[in-house]
Amino acid sequence: AQRVTQPEKLLSVFKGAPVELKCNYSYSGSPELFWYVQYSRQRLQLLLRHISRESIKGFTADLNKGETSFHLKKPFAQEEDSAMYYCASQPGTYKYIFGTGTRLKVLA
Amino acid sequence: DTEVTQTPKHLVMGMTNKKSLKCEQHMGHRAMYWYKQKAKKPPELMFVYSYEKLSINESVPSRFSPECPNSSLLNLHLHALQPEDSALYLCASSGGFGNTIYFGEGSWLTVV
Repeated sequence: AQRVTQPEKLLSVFKGAPVELKCNYSYSGSPELFWYVQYSRQRLQLLLRHISRESIKGFTADLNKGETSFHLKKPFAQEEDSAMYYCASQPGTYKYIFGTGTRLKVLA
Repeated sequence: DTEVTQTPKHLVMGMTNKKSLKCEQHMGHRAMYWYKQKAKKPPELMFVYSYEKLSINESVPSRFSPECPNSSLLNLHLHALQPEDSALYLCASSGGFGNTIYFGEGSWLTVV
């Protein structure tokens, strides 16, 4: 079955510390991959997607096909980064599968 | 306009009631989705409409009935729901492979 795994439910870091949110996918093909973020009381929104290889709010994500991973990284965490982060896979044109999510808390 | 609009924001219904959730997008997207999200859980796909035709039904109970009147509108008709169906129901739309999926704010449903 197609699956997206985020092993950490909660990740707490201090402001200014590096952040890495882990994501692994299980799919034999070449899915499109995304990171979505949900800030408190806001809708789920796109943070970045692999296809555009962009960096948003200082976050980057690298696809490692050998390890089937798409980890999200930021060198210096900010308090406003505190949110729920979901990794998502698009194994088919109209199918998006979300991971279980990681809550990031950035401590002052 | 990159918004998906959902109504109502909150809905309380009895187990014998019939109600509907509504969703609208004006981004010209070809696909529209219903997801269910329970507290502290990821969104779970329920239905996908592509080109106004139901293309994916993730084995959702028949008490949930989707409808796509046109390319901009998506409804979810609710009938004889159970308390465990209480959740946040998210509507979304997308343009195709590699495209972003855009979510609405959701409709909070409570079944009493």
